Amino acid sequence: KNQVEQSPQSLIILEGKNCTLQCNYTVSPFSNLRWYKQDTGRGPVSLTIMTFSENTKSNGRYTATLDADTKQSSLHITASQLSDSASYICVVSRQTGANNLFFGTGTRLTVIP
Amino acid sequence: DVKVTQSSRYLVKRTGEKVFLECVQDMDHENMFWYRQDPGLGLRLIYFSYDVKMKEKGDIPEGYSVSREKKERFSLILESASTNQTSMYLCASSRGGGGTYEQYFGPGTRLTVT
Repeated sequence: KNQVEQSPQSLIILEGKNCTLQCNYTVSPFSNLRWYKQDTGRGPVSLTIMTFSENTKSNGRYTATLDADTKQSSLHITASQLSDSASYICVVSRQTGANNLFFGTGTRLTVIP
Repeated sequence: DVKVTQSSRYLVKRTGEKVFLECVQDMDHENMFWYRQDPGLGLRLIYFSYDVKMKEKGDIPEGYSVSREKKERFSLILESASTNQTSMYLCASSRGGGGTYEQYFGPGTRLTVT
């Protein structure tokens, strides 16, 4: 069964600290993996995309990693800011099929001053 | 800059009413999608469309229908709203399919059915 699981469900950190969010998937055959950021009351916005051959991708203070062998990805946020408070959603794409996107349930991150 | 707009941010309807949610994108994207988002369940695909007048069922199409008469517009219709359709509805568009192309999301419509 194609699934995407994220952990933790929620996380509270102090401003300026780093954190790492996890995504494990069983989607096959794998095409790519995206991390989206969703601010409260807004639609998700893509942060990074990684294909099978990529194991690291950065976007400012956000760094995503991918281990295609273990089917795990992480999103590392460096020097967190209050504006990082949001839900982060992992989305894995399968190579085949018309409906081929599989969404995690997200990690709710709260950054406190 | 891609823009996806949705007709309402908040909507309150009564059980049994017919509800229309409209989505418009301005980037000439081929593909459009309707999702609902519920706490603990994430985004679930209701319907998607690869072209004008084309539609495909997603994972949870029951109780919904869609219409795509023009390329830029994709409507979600609740024929007879029920309380279990209270949710956040998100529209998205992409240049192509297969997950290769980024999906751009609208701001969402929070629908409450009483």
